[in-house]
Amino acid sequence: DGGITQSPKYLFRKEGQNVTLSCEQNLNHDAMYWYRQDPGQGLRLIYYSQIVNDFQKGDIAEGYSVSREKKESFPLTVTSAQKNPTAFYLCASSIAGPSYEQYFGPGTRLTVT
Amino acid sequence: QQPVQSPQAVILREGEDAVINCSSSKALYSVHWYRQKHGEAPVFLMILLKGGEQKGHEKISASFNEKKQQSSLYLTASQLSYSGTYFCGTDNTDKLIFGTGTRLQVFP
Repeated sequence: DGGITQSPKYLFRKEGQNVTLSCEQNLNHDAMYWYRQDPGQGLRLIYYSQIVNDFQKGDIAEGYSVSREKKESFPLTVTSAQKNPTAFYLCASSIAGPSYEQYFGPGTRLTVT
Repeated sequence: QQPVQSPQAVILREGEDAVINCSSSKALYSVHWYRQKHGEAPVFLMILLKGGEQKGHEKISASFNEKKQQSSLYLTASQLSYSGTYFCGTDNTDKLIFGTGTRLQVFP
């Protein structure tokens, strides 16, 4: 079955540690996205990539980094510079740019203490 | 830049109707609608492209007025399964920006 996988579902880290969230898709989609969701809030765009080896900052990129070395993979690193990293992180993909339907992964809930 | 959704929350009895509005201050190329159940990923409902089209999905339909930069989602004869948070996403060809959501609860 085609889809998007994110791992792990729950992640716990100590403050000051970098952590990498995995996102893989087998839909052959060109575009991939990372969103952050806080309780009772909408989805805020962290980074997006419309093609391999290229990515752009979203609205809240500070303290995060990404790479897009393969079409199917778009890992997100939450660095120690991110002041409030505890949140629900969602990865999504679309066949092309933002005008197309986005398919979301199940999300990773990150807790930093 | 973030679209504004109204109302923030809606409580319905099964069979009742609801309208959720989404308004942007920027010119739009398309509007997306998604529904998210608690603790789950958002699920796509529909996309409306500029041109004032209206779309339907079962008993859920939507309209898009590009001149007013507004979209509305119509839920008719609501079912328990319609409960969740509804997000609109506005696209100005650069990226999709989501609204803060409208929480819909349907009770028997």
